[in-house]
Amino acid sequence: GNSVTQMEGPVTLSEEAFLTINCTYTATGYPSLFWYVQYPGEGLQLLLKATKADDKGSNKGFEATYRKETTSFHLEKGSVQVSDSAVYFCALIVRQLTFGSGTQLTVLP
Amino acid sequence: NAGVTQTPKFQVLKTGQSMTLQCAQDMNHEYMSWYRQDPGMGLRLIHYSVGAGITDQGEVPNGYNVSRSTTEDFPLRLLSAAPSQTSVYFCASSYAPGASGGYEQYFGPGTRLTVT
Repeated sequence: GNSVTQMEGPVTLSEEAFLTINCTYTATGYPSLFWYVQYPGEGLQLLLKATKADDKGSNKGFEATYRKETTSFHLEKGSVQVSDSAVYFCALIVRQLTFGSGTQLTVLP
Repeated sequence: NAGVTQTPKFQVLKTGQSMTLQCAQDMNHEYMSWYRQDPGMGLRLIHYSVGAGITDQGEVPNGYNVSRSTTEDFPLRLLSAAPSQTSVYFCASSYAPGASGGYEQYFGPGTRLTVT
């Protein structure tokens, strides 16, 4: 079956630090890959996506590249802000969405 | 533009009670889904629908029923609530796969359910 494994949290960083959240996947077929973000008390919002190998998704300073050879989709941001504090979910879709377990990020001022 | 709406936001049930969680979308999406979110487990798919009159089971369907009589609405029914169903429930919708913008799911704000 399909599965997503992402870096366990929680992750605590200082403002302006570099962020990496690792995500690897197993899938049959050719999945599209996503990062969703969940701010406290809210539903999930799409952060970025990539639909084929070597695509780079980007949004709000976050980036992730679809690496088919390593089955990975790591999330990066060069300089995090306090407002980036949230839970981040990696996900794939073949027929339905399959989510990773989420990574809690806290950014301290 | 309301997007995906869910009611209620919070609910407390006693074991054995029944209730319906409501979900509606105004984006004319074919796909609608219900997920539950539990600590450390991400989101797990309960049921989904590919269009009015068509539903199917997801990863954790036991204890839940759904129906889809209209494109807009996709209620989730708990027939006899159990403490194991204490969770946060999210409804989501999207266009059909292959359509422009397909696969991006739009989530509602969630319903926090506690079963005592």
